[in-house]
Amino acid sequence: SQKIEQNSEALNIQEGKTATLTCNYTNYSPAYLQWYRQDPGRGPVFLLLIRENEKEKRKERLKVTFDTTLKQSLFHITASQPADSATYLCALGRGGGNKLTFGTGTQLKVEL
Amino acid sequence: GAVVSQHPSRVICKSGTSVKIECRSLDFQATTMFWYRQFPKQSLMLMATSNEGSKATYEQGVEKDKFLINHASLTLSTLTVTSAHPEDSSFYICSARQGRSDEQYFGPGTRLTVT
Repeated sequence: SQKIEQNSEALNIQEGKTATLTCNYTNYSPAYLQWYRQDPGRGPVFLLLIRENEKEKRKERLKVTFDTTLKQSLFHITASQPADSATYLCALGRGGGNKLTFGTGTQLKVEL
Repeated sequence: GAVVSQHPSRVICKSGTSVKIECRSLDFQATTMFWYRQFPKQSLMLMATSNEGSKATYEQGVEKDKFLINHASLTLSTLTVTSAHPEDSSFYICSARQGRSDEQYFGPGTRLTVT
């Protein structure tokens, strides 16, 4: 069955450092992968989408890589700030506006 | 742009009653809306996919007679939890997709507590 795994433990880093979050998947051939941010008691907020034929995508301090051979995506936040503290979810989709399958999320805490 | 609202944000109801949750796309037309449920410390689980003007498609294990979905217009979808029980207590989140876009925009969620 399909499985999407993210760092199960919380990630604590110091302000200014680069945070790297991992999303691994098995038994799935996604057309694209998305990253979302979720704050406690709130709905997810869309951050980035990367397609299967793209290796890397950037948006301001965010960078996403997608390796379909390794079946892995890495999500980087450079120059991290305490305001970046949240849970980050990866989600996979097959395209055509079809449904997304979400990972369990990684909680990031950026400390002063 | 791409704002999705949900109402109510919180609701407490007694066991056996029904609760309706509304999901609206405020600044775009949503051909497809999705309903998710999220239990504490867990990820989002898709319940159903709703296309405007047609019947919703439910995920395996989700009772369609218990979770009634209506998508009567391009900006509104409703989820009605019928005969609610304490185990239905959860965080319900909707999302909307514009046209054939792969991006989904989520509402702020509705916290349902059944006593």
